Amino acid sequence: AQSVTQLGSHVSVSEGALVLLRCNYSSSVPPYLFWYVQYPNQGLQLLLKYTSAATLVKGINGFEAEFKKSETSFHLTKPSAHMSDAAEYFCVVRPPGTYKYIFGTGTRLKVLA
Amino acid sequence: SQTIHQWPATLVQPVGSPLSLECTVEGTSNPNLYWYRQAAGRGLQLLFYSVGIGQISSEVPQNLSASRPQDRQFILSSKKLLLSDSGFYLCACNRQGPETQYFGPGTRLLVL
Repeated sequence: AQSVTQLGSHVSVSEGALVLLRCNYSSSVPPYLFWYVQYPNQGLQLLLKYTSAATLVKGINGFEAEFKKSETSFHLTKPSAHMSDAAEYFCVVRPPGTYKYIFGTGTRLKVLA
Repeated sequence: SQTIHQWPATLVQPVGSPLSLECTVEGTSNPNLYWYRQAAGRGLQLLFYSVGIGQISSEVPQNLSASRPQDRQFILSSKKLLLSDSGFYLCACNRQGPETQYFGPGTRLLVL
C-alpha cells in the first residue's frame, strides 16, 4: 500500500536559516506529490505540486521541492526562514489512477527569532 | 478557482446528539468531494469521498455517514455522536483528474 513518511514531527529553525522538511513515499509508480501548509485553526493551502513535469518544483512563499525518484523523496526547502512560515506542513501523495490523497502525519515548523 | 464553504465553524454537541455538517463548492462543476477528520496533533484521516451525485465511498468504519444530494453539496452526518468524534473536520474538492485538492476552512467539533 502507498504510504508517506515525514521525518520529524517538529522542526525548529532560526529566522533566516534554511528550512528543510523531509518527505519519503513508497510507491512502485511515481505518484503525484503535493506539499500543503496549515496555519492554526485553518484549512490547508497548497504550497506546490509535482505531476511528472520538472523535478524541481517552485511554489508559493519561496518554497521549493525536488522530486528524486531514486530516493523516493520529495523534500521541501526554503533558503531563508521567516517568522510567518511557522505552521504545520503536510506531504501528500496521490497514486495515479486513484481518487485518494494520502497524507503524511505532518511536520510542525517553529521559527525562532 | 474553487471556493469551499463549510459551516458551522465551531460546534459543541453533547454525546448522543445528531450531527450535520455541510460543505458547498463554488467555481467548478462535477468535482470529487472529500471529508477528512484531523485529530489534535495528528494528520488527516480520509473519512468519505464522492465522485458524483449519490456516490459515496467510505474509508473507515465509524459512527458517521455522508451524502451528496447535489453536485456541489456534501454533507457529513451522525445519528448519535461519540466522544471520539471530536476533531477538526475538513471538506475538500478537486476537479476530475490528478488535480490539486482545495480545502474548506474546517469545522471544529467538540463532543462533551
